[in-house]
Amino acid sequence: EAQVTQNPRYLITVTGKKLTVTCSQNMNHEYMSWYRQDPGLGLRQIYYSMNVEVTDKGDVPEGYKVSRKEKRNFPLILESPSPNQTSLYFCASSYRQWETQYFGPGTRLLVL
Amino acid sequence: QKEVEQDPGPLSVPEGAIVSLNCTYSNSAFQYFMWYRQYSRKGPELLMYTYSSGNKEDGRFTAQVDKSSKYISLFIRDSQPSDSATYLCAMSLFSGSARQLTFGSGTQLTVLP
Repeated sequence: EAQVTQNPRYLITVTGKKLTVTCSQNMNHEYMSWYRQDPGLGLRQIYYSMNVEVTDKGDVPEGYKVSRKEKRNFPLILESPSPNQTSLYFCASSYRQWETQYFGPGTRLLVL
Repeated sequence: QKEVEQDPGPLSVPEGAIVSLNCTYSNSAFQYFMWYRQYSRKGPELLMYTYSSGNKEDGRFTAQVDKSSKYISLFIRDSQPSDSATYLCAMSLFSGSARQLTFGSGTQLTVLP
């Protein structure tokens, strides 16, 4: 089944404790992206990757890092999480950047 | 001012009603317009995709783009309880743009049986 998977689905952590949210797609997509979704603000892009080893900032990159060492994986790293990073995070992928994006199920993060 | 404005609702309609969902935008360079549907506790899924001005129909759904007014709409005919979800508009610049999508904040729709 073609899908985008994210782990974990739910995470509670404390300020400053490094964490990684994994994202994996099995559709051989070149383009992958991370979004955060907050009430009243909609989906905002954090980082995107156009292919392996090619990443760039989206609209709200501060406090986040990403890497793209393999085509299928695009982890999101929070080196020192803060409470304002409490949000619902979505990973998405598409074959090309302008084509239909397939979203993962989301990761709900709470930073205390 | 946000680039894309969308009434958050909530919007509640009886089954069978015609639903109209709307977004306005400020960036006249947007050329690709999309509607995503997001069920509770799920990721968004693409519903409709249009390029430039005009109408596009897919079953009970019609997407309408008016670039002169910077206004897009999604119409749902014969609405069903299964249409209850949050609807997000999204738009993009020309196909070669490195920045892909700008989303509206979403409209929460409930269709009552």
